[in-house]
Amino acid sequence: DGGITQSPKYLFRKEGQNVTLSCEQNLNHDAMYWYRQDPGQGLRLIYYSQIVNDFQKGDIAEGYSVSREKKESFPLTVTSAQKNPTAFYLCASSKGTWEGVSEAFFGQGTRLTVV
Amino acid sequence: AQTVTQSQPEMSVQEAETVTLSCTYDTSESDYYLFWYKQPPSRQMILVIRQEAYKQQNATENRFSVNFQKAAKSFSLKISDSQLGDAAMYFCAYPTSSGSARQLTFGSGTQLTVLP
Repeated sequence: DGGITQSPKYLFRKEGQNVTLSCEQNLNHDAMYWYRQDPGQGLRLIYYSQIVNDFQKGDIAEGYSVSREKKESFPLTVTSAQKNPTAFYLCASSKGTWEGVSEAFFGQGTRLTVV
Repeated sequence: AQTVTQSQPEMSVQEAETVTLSCTYDTSESDYYLFWYKQPPSRQMILVIRQEAYKQQNATENRFSVNFQKAAKSFSLKISDSQLGDAAMYFCAYPTSSGSARQLTFGSGTQLTVLP
């Protein structure tokens, strides 16, 4: 079945460590996104990518980094520069961003906790 | 700035009754999609319904329908015959532009409680 897979589901990070969240899709979508969700709040865009080897900062990119070496994969690294990384992270993909945005399909999310 | 506003942080409805969730947005474009997503306690984001702005007819998906007022930039979601499984956080979303790229911008959400 086509879909988006995020891993791990739960992740614990010690202060000062970098951690990488995985996101893989087999929907053949060009566009991929990373959102952060804090308790009781909406989704804020961290980074997005329209095509392979290209990505743009979203509204809250500081302390995060991404890569897009393959169409199927869009990993997110939470660096030690991110001062408040504890949150729920959602990865999404959609058909494209040029002519318009189709609906986004989401992974099941990763809950990151700093210990 | 392009924004999506959900003015009702919380709503409640009696089982089998009807509830309407509101959403307003800001755009200068003429053709676009609008979306409503549902996030149950599992936190999986699920697409509920979408509306194409150039279509005058309001979208309908079973018990879910929208009231799309293009001139007013309003996109409300109506849930008929509410069920306990409808309890969730609901987000409206709209594609916003940043240079040549577009991405989905989400409202702050409305937490819907369904009372038995």
